[in-house]
Amino acid sequence: RKEVEQDPGPFNVPEGATVAFNCTYSNSASQSFFWYRQDCRKEPKLLMSVYSSGNEDGRFTAQLNRASQYISLLIRDSKLSDSATYLCVAFSSGSARQLTFGSGTQLTVLP
Amino acid sequence: NAGVTQTPKFQVLKTGQSMTLQCAQDMNHEYMSWYRQDPGMGLRLIHYSVGAGITDQGEVPNGYNVSRSTTEDFPLRLLSAAPSQTSVYFCASSQQGAGFEQYFGPGTRLTVT
Repeated sequence: RKEVEQDPGPFNVPEGATVAFNCTYSNSASQSFFWYRQDCRKEPKLLMSVYSSGNEDGRFTAQLNRASQYISLLIRDSKLSDSATYLCVAFSSGSARQLTFGSGTQLTVLP
Repeated sequence: NAGVTQTPKFQVLKTGQSMTLQCAQDMNHEYMSWYRQDPGMGLRLIHYSVGAGITDQGEVPNGYNVSRSTTEDFPLRLLSAAPSQTSVYFCASSQQGAGFEQYFGPGTRLTVT
């Protein structure tokens, strides 16, 4: 079982739609979590850090459920420019991996 | 600021050849790391460094060496290239460490034949 698992998609949604991604992690010692965005053939870039109480940044909302060991990302009012792969990441200082990346969920927003 | 730069962008090697992937950052970040990204898999940590003169192994260090003689530079050396090392390699840096925002370079696409 992968330490961080994501539905690979692809998710194809129309402009203006709301879309949600879930991510599960197996290492209960994970201390913090992130969502990164990766455009095709580009480097990952931080989208959001995920705090224990959940956090919101404009159209993006991230939530963490430690009891069930999952993290979610909600995108409201999708834009064409949101088309990308979204990477779920868990950090554990005690792991040789340090940051464990999920394999990503691909989103395409259609006009 | 250039951020994190990597050279070359593309490279083709024959099995057994060695080469060095360059990485530099101009943000005075202490923490730097190297990842490889393969289809269907998440980025995997190869080596990392918490400061000049200090390096450590990540999840998949075999076949790779690193050094950190300055804060700015963190080269990755492939000792004897193998087809299994065909991948996209990303260098990253962070001001405070692995648990904080990582700034990635544009990547090096390596093919080993």
